[in-house]
Amino acid sequence: DIQMTQSPSSLSASVGDRVIITCRASQIISSYLNWYQQKPGKAPKLLIYAASNLQSGVPSRFSGSGSGTEFTLTISSLQPEDFATYYCQQSYSIPLFGGGTKVEIK
Amino acid sequence: EVQLVESGGGLVQPGGSLRLSCTASGLTVTTNYMSWVRQAPGKGLEWIAVIYTDGRAYYADSVKGRFTVSRQNSNDMLFLQINGLSAEDTAVYYCARVLQRPAAYAMDVWGQGTTVTVSS
Repeated sequence: DIQMTQSPSSLSASVGDRVIITCRASQIISSYLNWYQQKPGKAPKLLIYAASNLQSGVPSRFSGSGSGTEFTLTISSLQPEDFATYYCQQSYSIPLFGGGTKVEIK
Repeated sequence: EVQLVESGGGLVQPGGSLRLSCTASGLTVTTNYMSWVRQAPGKGLEWIAVIYTDGRAYYADSVKGRFTVSRQNSNDMLFLQINGLSAEDTAVYYCARVLQRPAAYAMDVWGQGTTVTVSS
């Protein structure tokens, strides 16, 4: 089975900071990697699909990159509404989410 | 507006069963791939099932043999029958639409979730 390792598991950052979250797959998954944002008590929200494609309506400060086994989600300038938990998800085989990264206020 | 609304959650005793429902509006469940995802309290997301447009369904190992996903074409509803419940199944259960290629099977529309609590 493909394993997904997301790092860090949590981070503290300030408004305006550049934030980078990494997701590594245990085997090549091409670009079958998606990113979600989840706020407490809410359903996840799709941010990035197929590694680097911005979902409609998502601010351009979010970007995704990578292919193969290593992927990143970048928030170019963290905004107050971005404090949340972020999950990667591989869809190359049976879907699997990463463990999540909680972005907290510094 | 495209919307999914789950229902059917509740408190159930260990070993019990529930049928969760997901009512779609603005999309047709039979022409979309649809998934169920759950989240235990304080934990991450866990994909549990998908049903394809041709009716084939696949399950996570953790629920295989106990959970069954189905559809009701006439009312645009998706269901998850869950049997043999244990405390480990306590979670919020979400239904979601799955985009097909080239969108890498991402889940773009989610319901608000329904809570299943397994306890005696």
